[in-house]
Amino acid sequence: EVQLVESGGGLVKPGGSLRLSCAASGFTFSNAWMSWVRQAPGKGLEWVGRVRSKTDGETTEYTVPVKGRFTISRDDSKSTLYLEMNSLKTEDTGVYYCTTRYCTGGSCYSWIWGQGTLVTVSS
Amino acid sequence: DIQMTQSPSSLSASVGDRVTITCRASQGISNSLAWLQQKPGKAPKSLIYDASTFQGGVPSKFSGSGSGTDFTLTISSLQPEDFATYYCLQYNTYPYTFGQGTKLEIK
Repeated sequence: EVQLVESGGGLVKPGGSLRLSCAASGFTFSNAWMSWVRQAPGKGLEWVGRVRSKTDGETTEYTVPVKGRFTISRDDSKSTLYLEMNSLKTEDTGVYYCTTRYCTGGSCYSWIWGQGTLVTVSS
Repeated sequence: DIQMTQSPSSLSASVGDRVTITCRASQGISNSLAWLQQKPGKAPKSLIYDASTFQGGVPSKFSGSGSGTDFTLTISSLQPEDFATYYCLQYNTYPYTFGQGTKLEIK
């Protein structure tokens, strides 16, 4: 079964740090371009950033509000994606989802989503 | 960034109705569009990708169409479990962007 499972969310004070993880299974993680998406309470979905596969350079891209504060990385040996969040602000509060497009045999199909992990930034 | 304008932002309908939600891209995105369903407190669930291809296990009551800049999601014969928020997502050009969502409510 194709699955993404996030963990690591919690309550943190403004200016603090948090590291989220996303464990993948059921597909070839090392080939996947992985992304983080977030959703503030009562709001819509926002793309946070992505990391390419190692084959494609393992480069990263971020949305402007998080650039310089958030870092996306991956450990293909553990099939795990990470989101390191520093200098957290109250506006970073929300549910964080990892996602990827399921690709196999040279074709790509639908988007897979984890269940999300809640990050609350508050004093 | 490509802007995705989704309409309506909310929609009230009855069980058994057929509804249509639209998404317009600020520039052409070919067919690189997905439709997602989200219920309160739950993760998004993919319904359709590549504008018109069903996600496995999704009922055929959901259908998508369009290419370029204009896309539609049609849900036929609404059932209670279909009342949720729907989002479009363009993945043609990074940064990928979402529509603002359509909240489908029971009349």
